[in-house]
Amino acid sequence: AAGVIQSPRHLIKEKRETATLKCYPIPRHDTVYWYQQGPGQDPQFLISFYEKMQSDKGSIPDRFSAQQFSDYHSELNMSSLELGDSALYFCASSLLAGPKMNTEAFFGQGTRLTVV
Amino acid sequence: KQEVTQIPAALSVPEGENLVLNCSFTDSAIYNLQWFRQDPGKGLTSLLLIQSSQREQTSGRLNASLDKSSGRSTLYIAASQPGDSATYLCAVRPGSNDYKLSFGAGTTVTVRA
Repeated sequence: AAGVIQSPRHLIKEKRETATLKCYPIPRHDTVYWYQQGPGQDPQFLISFYEKMQSDKGSIPDRFSAQQFSDYHSELNMSSLELGDSALYFCASSLLAGPKMNTEAFFGQGTRLTVV
Repeated sequence: KQEVTQIPAALSVPEGENLVLNCSFTDSAIYNLQWFRQDPGKGLTSLLLIQSSQREQTSGRLNASLDKSSGRSTLYIAASQPGDSATYLCAVRPGSNDYKLSFGAGTTVTVRA
């Protein structure tokens, strides 16, 4: 079965650069979430989208923005990168509406961002 | 603010022993609770999802229970194997209109051959 696809898997950027992380949810899933997991930390919620509209916002810095496109893929844009942004970034998807609703969140393999 | 705690933080057992992992949450008004497995540096694999109206879910050697009123969930892994070595995280979803998950810090399990 198709899973959540994230790209790239690894990314190395310098301070003050920008990065774009991409997420392709499970086909027909209507909800996308982004999480950040620092070294030795639990995942922290950043932002979510339901049917291409932002549905919830967590501890996402103002330097970050995200959107969900018409094909339901999502991108997390990160600007003015700082050393502390080095982390594993996860995308997850769910199907929250309709007859086949399944609130289980399925996670991608993550993008490891290293800021040097 | 929902706080999720997992005890113990680490666990080491010999192969064949049963594992008991605990998760507690401060706000009992949850929509569902999900258990994940994470291998070092890897993604999160969903193991079990328990809806707030359910008391337990089973999948193979895994069984998860939920006591919403006391804010607790327990993940049991029967007859542990070295391949079960990983970090196990629980996460709660607050409500039907609240999409984010609040995670615990995880329990790192080592199963010794």
